Amino acid sequence: DTEVTQTPKHLVMGMTNKKSLKCEQHMGHRAMYWYKQKAKKPPELMFVYSYEKLSINESVPSRFSPECPNSSLLNLHLHALQPEDSALYLCASSQKTLGQNTEAFFGQGTRLTVV
Amino acid sequence: LAKTTQPISMDSYEGQEVNITCSHNNIATNDYITWYQQFPSQGPRFIIQGYKTKVTNEVASLFIPADRKSSTLSLPRVSLSDTAVYYCLVGDRGSARQLTFGSGTQLTVLP
Repeated sequence: DTEVTQTPKHLVMGMTNKKSLKCEQHMGHRAMYWYKQKAKKPPELMFVYSYEKLSINESVPSRFSPECPNSSLLNLHLHALQPEDSALYLCASSQKTLGQNTEAFFGQGTRLTVV
Repeated sequence: LAKTTQPISMDSYEGQEVNITCSHNNIATNDYITWYQQFPSQGPRFIIQGYKTKVTNEVASLFIPADRKSSTLSLPRVSLSDTAVYYCLVGDRGSARQLTFGSGTQLTVLP
């Protein structure tokens, strides 16, 4: 199983809503990532978890709250988002072997629209 | 972080070999060069990774000169389904920031 599964595939939410994006992998990877991608732009790194601990937060606004409940799951909790937060949110995972990250596997993404 | 520069876009015809060059003048000793492919509304997919000289797998080759200040992704005999954005990434595999994407190259394969 070399899949990273993201749910939901599409999400429309109002600016006062609270929602969560979910990411799951069963490859035993211990590094997991959240990216944000706007149309015709490259993916931008948001958060990195390493061994279930947050290791990188790229100055992401607090309305985005990541959570890694176990080694297979990664969540992104959303609250009070703005229309400019509409984007494709991508999850990825990679293995760490002797301190080196292997190739990353990406999910299909969640297309988020904030209205 | 080593910054990368790629052409914004390239066109090719089916059956041709395509070479996409990436410039990374300030690459560090521990940095590897990795290429990803992305189709619209999908996550990026790993293509190939290398440190120096030449690496080949079933889908592509990666050429890295001795000074490592650039690299070339070579796609043999492209087809319409190879139309995608190709990203060159340079980073230390020991760093969580190894997956920092540059601007990418939109490759369009024409019939």
